[in-house]
Amino acid sequence: QVQLVQSGAEVKKPGASVKVSCKTSGYSFRTYAIHWVRQAPGQRLEWMGWINTGNGDTKYSQKFQGRVTITRDTSASTAYMELSSLRSEDTAVYYCARDVEYRETYVYDYWGQGTLVTVSS
Amino acid sequence: DIQMTQSPSSLSASVGDRVTITCRASQSISSYLNWYQQKAGKPPKLLIYQSSSLQSGVPSRFSGSGSGTDFTLTISSLQPEDFATYYCQQSNSSPRTFGQGTKVEIK
Repeated sequence: QVQLVQSGAEVKKPGASVKVSCKTSGYSFRTYAIHWVRQAPGQRLEWMGWINTGNGDTKYSQKFQGRVTITRDTSASTAYMELSSLRSEDTAVYYCARDVEYRETYVYDYWGQGTLVTVSS
Repeated sequence: DIQMTQSPSSLSASVGDRVTITCRASQSISSYLNWYQQKAGKPPKLLIYQSSSLQSGVPSRFSGSGSGTDFTLTISSLQPEDFATYYCQQSNSSPRTFGQGTKVEIK
């Protein structure tokens, strides 16, 4: 069955970087894009960016441009999201999600379990 | 970016009630509107895509409608497992933005 398993919770100091992994299984990794979405406490879901797992192309939200880097390791069927220059407002649960085309639209049909990143001095 | 606004932000309802949640887009998104359900401590789960198409395995008490800028999610008879937060998301253009969520609580 399809699974996306993320790395564990992280505690970071302001100004540091964090790298979250998303290991996939149960399907052909290079067939579907992986998106990253975060959810700060009490806030709405917020799209950060995505990676074409086939060719490695990426696109990022303007909000995070310059601070976020999404990569993938096809041999490990794993995607990564690195966020730098962390500040307290980056405290959130970070999710990876598989992007699938359904008829004429795209949806997130499988999600990772989420990784809590806490930024605190 | 397209702004998505849900109403209400929260509601209290009883088992068996009919519940309706609305979602409004800041500009036309045709029918590119998805609904997700999120329970505490869990990732979102896809319920409905393209405004009215039910995701496989989702109970038929969930339905969606709308096009353009106004959409609704209806739960015909609320069940105990339906108490959760519901998010709409537009997939018409990037970035795919979400509504602020509607929390459905037990009355």
